[in-house]
Amino acid sequence: QQQVKQSPQSLIVQKGGISIINCAYENTAFDYFPWYQQFPGKGPALLIAIRPDVSEKKEGRFTISFNKSAKQFSLHIMDSQPGDSATYFCAASHGGTSYGKLTFGQGTILTVHP
Amino acid sequence: DAGITQSPRHKVTETGTPVTLRCHQTENHRYMYWYRQDPGHGLRLIHYSYGVKDTDKGEVSDGYSVSRSKTEDFLLTLESATSSQTSVYFCAISPGGNNEQFFGPGTRLTVL
Repeated sequence: QQQVKQSPQSLIVQKGGISIINCAYENTAFDYFPWYQQFPGKGPALLIAIRPDVSEKKEGRFTISFNKSAKQFSLHIMDSQPGDSATYFCAASHGGTSYGKLTFGQGTILTVHP
Repeated sequence: DAGITQSPRHKVTETGTPVTLRCHQTENHRYMYWYRQDPGHGLRLIHYSYGVKDTDKGEVSDGYSVSRSKTEDFLLTLESATSSQTSVYFCAISPGGNNEQFFGPGTRLTVL
């Protein structure tokens, strides 16, 4: 079964702190790992994504760390801000006849206190 | 929202009635997807399309059908709505099969 397990379900961080969300997958055919950010009443928006040929990708305050042997990847938000308060989803997919279908984690509600 | 519109944005209907949700894109992307979002489940794929008239089932396709007669429109139909189909439905589009997906604003459906 193509599962992606995400933890924690919720996370509270103080302004300026580091937020860390973890995901684990089972299907070794997965080769694309995006993270989505969703604000209430809006659709998910791509935040950052990684492919397994690199172990880390950084875009501004957001970093994905990828561990292929452990089948795990994580999102780190540095210098967390109240505006980062949202729900975050990890996901995974693979190409070919899978047509890029995304399998999502269960989501993490992040609250950043001022 | 990356040139994606969904209609209606909100709908309340009764059990047993048919419901059609529409996703419209202006990007001319080949791939389109329908997901449902429920608390504790993240987003789950219902159906997807990899071209006009080319569609296939996703993880939670029971009770749903789709049609794509032109590139820009992807319709999701609940043949006979049930309370378990109360959810928020998102359409997504992608230029390639294993690349970034752009999501629409969603449709909140309540089945009484």
